[in-house]
Amino acid sequence: AQTVTQSQPEMSVQEAETVTLSCTYDTSESNYYLFWYKQPPSRQMILVIRQEAYKQQNATENRFSVNFQKAAKSFSLKISDSQLGDTAMYFCAFMKPNAFGNEKLTFGTGTRLTIIP
Amino acid sequence: EAQVTQNPRYLITVTGKKLTVTCSQNMNHEYMSWYRQDPGLGLRQIYYSMNVEATDKGDVPEGYKVSRKEKRNFPLILESPSPNQTSLYFCASSPIDSRETQYFGPGTRLLVL
Repeated sequence: AQTVTQSQPEMSVQEAETVTLSCTYDTSESNYYLFWYKQPPSRQMILVIRQEAYKQQNATENRFSVNFQKAAKSFSLKISDSQLGDTAMYFCAFMKPNAFGNEKLTFGTGTRLTIIP
Repeated sequence: EAQVTQNPRYLITVTGKKLTVTCSQNMNHEYMSWYRQDPGLGLRQIYYSMNVEATDKGDVPEGYKVSRKEKRNFPLILESPSPNQTSLYFCASSPIDSRETQYFGPGTRLLVL
């Protein structure tokens, strides 16, 4: 079974600074997908960024980027120029596709990020 | 607007009183899933469905039932709720293509007294 570990339960950073959230995972699969989800106080789950394991290039989405180290099974999220609206719980998630298409998301326990004005 | 809806959004009930949380999606997705979120545990899958009349257990199915009679709907049924089922519940859907991410509903906060 796959496991996802987020070792930082809470983090805080000053507005406009850069912050990196760490995530490691354990799998014997070679083909899989990794995600970062954001959960603001509204509790809505919002996809931040997605990485396909067979792609060597790190995914980026505006101020959000990942550092994907497949051999180390590491998938960290970097938020640049942090904004107050980035305050949220962030979940790292792993998905292994099966022969029929989709598979469940396995989530980490989350990192609560606070952006300080 | 493409979305996943859940009802009710908030529910307080008592032990043993059967309840159903509805989930509906308007994106014609084949795959639907239920997760529960608990502090310190992240989200864990309860049940999932690959298509109509095709459901299967996730990691924490005990105490829950589901059905998939229509493609758009995937209700979660608690036949006899207990306090340990107090949680935040999310329904999610996606196309059968595994490259697509899952779209989440707004969540249902359940308190079982």
